Amino acid sequence: DTGVSQNPRHKITKRGQNVTFRCDPISEHNRLYWYRQTLGQGPEFLTYFQNEAQLEKSRLLSDRFSAERPKGSFSTLEIQRTEQGDSAMYLCASSEGQGVTNEKLFFGSGTQLSVL
Amino acid sequence: AQKITQTQPGMFVQEKEAVTLDCTYDTSDPSYGLFWYKQPSSGEMIFLIYQGSYDQQNATEGRYSLNFQKARKSANLVISASQLGDSAMYFCAMREGMAAGNKLTFGGGTRVLVKP
Repeated sequence: DTGVSQNPRHKITKRGQNVTFRCDPISEHNRLYWYRQTLGQGPEFLTYFQNEAQLEKSRLLSDRFSAERPKGSFSTLEIQRTEQGDSAMYLCASSEGQGVTNEKLFFGSGTQLSVL
Repeated sequence: AQKITQTQPGMFVQEKEAVTLDCTYDTSDPSYGLFWYKQPSSGEMIFLIYQGSYDQQNATEGRYSLNFQKARKSANLVISASQLGDSAMYFCAMREGMAAGNKLTFGGGTRVLVKP
């Protein structure tokens, strides 16, 4: 069990550029979540997958954001035409998917995005 | 309305003393779960403790205990015998409903600084 892995750890980009982040969940975890965290705030839910199916998306996920989880393994989060307001830590988490209320999420270390 | 409220933005605690972090929540769902996570400066969210809405006893995990007062909708975290390594952000979170796929909603967090 190597934990949830996120790449890159840091990304600096210019406004208007596209960026893509990758998340590798704990193997055999069926559920994968994306959260966004701005400085001094708690994580805000963006979207989650059950295997390869994207089951819920937050209103925070504008049409510039797209997430995929092909084959139900790793996931990518792409932001098109980045804006300065997109600057944040993007956290990925996974869980077993056993269908119990006490199922905890295991988080990665996040990708820190800075839009200049 | 905020689902999870953490009213203490920051706290100092003397090493070896106990500290209580406040968390109040808002839900009309009779089935829910409450979680506490720790986020050190490295960024990774670390699960600490869980309390289910139907649990009769307060949860405990080592030096962590949860003071669950259902009627008051509060789930305060108690850290006993504080250590320097406890310095971090602490987040309270809630999952509503029985489906484990339901997202965790986080509060704004409390920063704890342990003084030697």
